[in-house]
Amino acid sequence: SQKIEQNSEALNIQEGKTATLTCNYTNYSPAYLQWYRQDPGRGPVFLLLIRENEKEKRKERLKVTFDTTLKQSLFHITASQPADSATYLCASPPRSGANNLFFGTGTRLTVIP
Amino acid sequence: DADVTQTPRNRITKTGKRIMLECSQTKGHDRMYWYRQDPGLGLRLIYYSFDVKDINKGEISDGYSVSRQAQAKFSLSLESAIPNQTALYFCATSEPGGSGEQYFGPGTRLTVT
Repeated sequence: SQKIEQNSEALNIQEGKTATLTCNYTNYSPAYLQWYRQDPGRGPVFLLLIRENEKEKRKERLKVTFDTTLKQSLFHITASQPADSATYLCASPPRSGANNLFFGTGTRLTVIP
Repeated sequence: DADVTQTPRNRITKTGKRIMLECSQTKGHDRMYWYRQDPGLGLRLIYYSFDVKDINKGEISDGYSVSRQAQAKFSLSLESAIPNQTALYFCATSEPGGSGEQYFGPGTRLTVT
């Protein structure tokens, strides 16, 4: 069955370093992947989308890559700040043409001052 | 004002009670979704609706029902609540086509005792 997985439950990094979060998918080929940020007690907020024919997407200090060979997306936050501390979720449609999303379990990032 | 609102924000109920969670949106989106979030399991789709006459089951619809009263309103009901329905519930909306970016409400924390 299709799976989307974020294997790191938690990641701690020092302020100013680059945080790299991983999202892996198996048994399907998503047309795109999305990344969301979720703060405690709040709903997820959309950050970035990357399509299968795009290698990389950037938005300010955020960068997302999509490697269809490795079946993986990486999410990078450069020059990380304590305010970046949150849980980050990846999501994709579960199959070609699907109009709904399914989500990874998330990685909780803590940026230490 | 928030674009996607959920009521109540917190609810404690007893096993066997019927409970309704409500979601309203001012984004003018046709598509609406209900998810539950549990620690370690991430966001899981319960039901989704692409317009007032279109209701679809998600991956975990057993024990739940929904009603799409209008484009802007989508309610989730637990006909007979049980303790393993204790979770954080989120409503979300999206536009048809495109990136499928979803906009989430603030969540309802439901506890079934």
